[in-house]
Amino acid sequence: GENVEQHPSTLSVQEGDSAVIKCTYSDSASNYFPWYKQELGKGPQLIIDIRSNVGEKKDQRIAVTLNKTAKHFSLHITETQPEDSAVYFCAASSRNTGNQFYFGTGTSLTVIP
Amino acid sequence: DAGITQSPRHKVTETGTPVTLRCHQTENHRYMYWYRQDPGHGLRLIHYSYGVKDTDKGEVSDGYSVSRSKTEDFLLTLESATSSQTSVYFCAIRAGLAGGQASTDTQYFGPGTRLTVL
Repeated sequence: GENVEQHPSTLSVQEGDSAVIKCTYSDSASNYFPWYKQELGKGPQLIIDIRSNVGEKKDQRIAVTLNKTAKHFSLHITETQPEDSAVYFCAASSRNTGNQFYFGTGTSLTVIP
Repeated sequence: DAGITQSPRHKVTETGTPVTLRCHQTENHRYMYWYRQDPGHGLRLIHYSYGVKDTDKGEVSDGYSVSRSKTEDFLLTLESATSSQTSVYFCAIRAGLAGGQASTDTQYFGPGTRLTVL
């Protein structure tokens, strides 16, 4: 099955700086890559996703890039704010895995005011 | 929140007792999922359902069973709870895209149930 690795596990940045979280995947058939944000005591919330037919997608301060050749994708948050502090998860899915998402182990982001 | 509720939100139980967690959705989604979340492991799939009475195993299904007798409810049962099943359990639904590309439909999560097995 698919194996998704996520780095770093913890990340601290100053408010206003950028944050980058990276994920790698093993199944070359994976073609859908969502990112989730989880605040304390809540369920994961989808923040952005990308499909394998594009290399980059942006939504305001959040962007995701995908390198299919290297099998890695990254989340970029610019102009970080304290409310960006949370745990972020990446995931990968493919037709081969049918209905299943495979998640990374999470990155705890702290934005220091 | 995609109309997903989970009950109970918190539960403390003893080893060996049966436990049932409920996931309820209001938007008639076909696919529903149960995950557990543990430090260092992220989210791992326990079981999922692709319709009434249609279920299949996920990555960590041992010790768990599920049932789906109607579209809106997906139940997760621990027949005899063990301390290793202490975790936070999340239910999710898959919201389809127009055109129905199965592998690209995203999942939306409920608020979670924190289960402690003593």
